Order: sequence, then C-alpha cells, then structure tokens
Amino acid sequence: EVVMTQSPLSLPVTLGQPASISCRSSQSLAYRDGGTYLNWYQQRPGQSPRRLIYEVSKRDSGVPDRFSGSGSDTDFTLKISRVEAEDVAVYYCMQGTHWPPYTFGQGTKLEIK
Amino acid sequence: QVQLVESGGGVVQPGRSLRLSCGASGFIFSNYAIHWVRQAPGKGLEWVTFITHHGTNEYYADSVKGRFSISRDNSQNTVYLQMSSLRTEDTAVYYCAKGTAGTYSTSLDYWGQGTLVTVSS
Repeated sequence: EVVMTQSPLSLPVTLGQPASISCRSSQSLAYRDGGTYLNWYQQRPGQSPRRLIYEVSKRDSGVPDRFSGSGSDTDFTLKISRVEAEDVAVYYCMQGTHWPPYTFGQGTKLEIK
Repeated sequence: QVQLVESGGGVVQPGRSLRLSCGASGFIFSNYAIHWVRQAPGKGLEWVTFITHHGTNEYYADSVKGRFSISRDNSQNTVYLQMSSLRTEDTAVYYCAKGTAGTYSTSLDYWGQGTLVTVSS
C-alpha cells in the first residue's frame, strides 16, 4: 500500500498571503504510461470533497488560478498564491497510480490567522 | 451537470447489515466506474471500494473485504453498497464518487453529499 504523508497538518495563514502544502508518497507515482496520478481535493467545512487538481498540476474547471500543483516522483506540492477567506478547508492529496487501495494523505487544515 | 446522491444511511447495531444506494445523473452512467469513500467523524478520507462500468470487477479495501459488497444497476443509474457484519469502526459518512474511466480510474472527479452510517448498540 502506498502511504501518503502530508505536511503541515495545520496551516494558519494571513489573508492575502501564500500557502503551501507538501505531500510525499512512499513509492513513485509515475506510471508506465507516462502519467503521474496525484490529485488534490478541498473539503470545506460541512461539505463533501471537491477535486481541485489532477495529474499533479491540471486544474479542474472553475478552480481559481491562485491554486497550483507541482511535483514529480514522490514529492508534490499544492500552492495557493494569495489565500482568501473561502479557502478555509481541509486539503487532501490522493494517489491513483498504485491501487487497490487508492490512498489519501491525512489532510491539512488551512485556517485564517 | 453531474449529480451523485447517496441514501440509506442510519443507525444500526453492531453485527447487523445496511444497504446504501448512490443514484447518478448528468453523465453516461454505464461508461464510468463508481467508488465509495468514507470519513469517520473528525477524521480523514478512506477509500472503501469501487466497481467497474459494466460491473465485471470489484475492488475492496482490506478493512471491509468479505463484509461489504458493491453492485450496480446500469438500467437504474444506481450503485449499491451492501454492508454486513457492521462494526463500530464502520461509523462514518459514506460518499460515492465517480471515477474518471470505466475500469482503471486514476482520479475521482465528482462526489456526492454523503450519507451517515452510525454503528452503535
């Protein structure tokens, strides 16, 4: 089973400032087809998860461009260029390369300082 | 627009059974795998199971293997999760989610609102 490790688990950020979340996998997420299947999800309080990013860096439709994903192999990052109040949420990474099982990181709780 | 609606949650005693349903609309249901992911109160996300688009293959997390069974009815655009021998640790919100392919999905792109299952005596 691929273990996904996120840091930090808690992230206080001032409005308008950048934020960065790290996600590391216990095995390379590069697949033999050339793809790397790392996803990022946002879960706002009381809501279901929403996909933000897939295949490391591809943003979903409707996701603000202040969100960006990067990384390769076992080391990935979600960045928010300028945090807004609506970004308060728990963020999860999830790997879709080595399954079953699909595995998630523990989650990073972003709050406004 | 894509919609997934879960139902069937509730309070159930340990050792008993419960069946959840996931109704889908807004996409060609028979073309996509459907997954179940759960979230225990105050905890993170745990993938549970998925079924391929024609129902040919099913995959399960070790924590539910032999106790849970997933099935689908493409004529009704519905996926079912039959949960048996329930344990207190199965208490969670259960989400259904759409895979991005019919068989081997690399991502879950749409999620339902979830249904709460509470296992308690």
